[in-house]
Amino acid sequence: AQSVTQLDSQVPVFEEAPVELRCNYSSSVSVYLFWYVQYPNQGLQLLLKYLSGSTLVKGINGFEAEFNKSQTSFHLRKPSVHISDTAEYFCAVSPGAGGGADGLTFGKGTHLIIQP
Amino acid sequence: DTAVSQTPKYLVTQMGNDKSIKCEQNLGHDTMYWYKQDSKKFLKIMFSYNNKELIINETVPNRFSPKSPDKAHLNLHINSLELGDSAVYFCASSQGGPPYEQYFGPGTRLTVT
Repeated sequence: AQSVTQLDSQVPVFEEAPVELRCNYSSSVSVYLFWYVQYPNQGLQLLLKYLSGSTLVKGINGFEAEFNKSQTSFHLRKPSVHISDTAEYFCAVSPGAGGGADGLTFGKGTHLIIQP
Repeated sequence: DTAVSQTPKYLVTQMGNDKSIKCEQNLGHDTMYWYKQDSKKFLKIMFSYNNKELIINETVPNRFSPKSPDKAHLNLHINSLELGDSAVYFCASSQGGPPYEQYFGPGTRLTVT
């Protein structure tokens, strides 16, 4: 079984400042890792994903994340945030081969608040 | 075209009623899912389904039942609604194989009074 821990429930950041949202996971098998964003009253949109290969992955809207196997982390970063980035961000894992039926395991989410 | 759609977007009903939420995907995916998001935004899988197998999360009450008329649709039926069923329900779909990247619908906000 997998689990995901998002260490911060809420992160306030000033506009144009950098931000890092933290995510740690645990799993006894290899996993695939995802970050999703949920804007108010909307569904979840995929920001980026780590499947294999380069540990630094780039996503939409200027976000990137770094996979660190030894620390079992997959932190999300953006060098300069905008008001429009205000949203809930979810880290999620899916198990490797054969795990589709289990769906994604989500963290509890981090609410990113951008202050002008 | 919307990849994963759900209807209705909002559903307000009384305790004890039976209701359904519809989901359709036009991505040609093999597997569909239902998730529940509670008031604290926590997302938890309820069901996954492909044309061969239904996997039910053991914590889901049997008042909830998914029904799939075909590969592109997975509807959620809820019997004898309770106050605790109030939540946002998301439908999602993915390809049949790894990495099981999922595409989500816009959600249905269910309020039970």
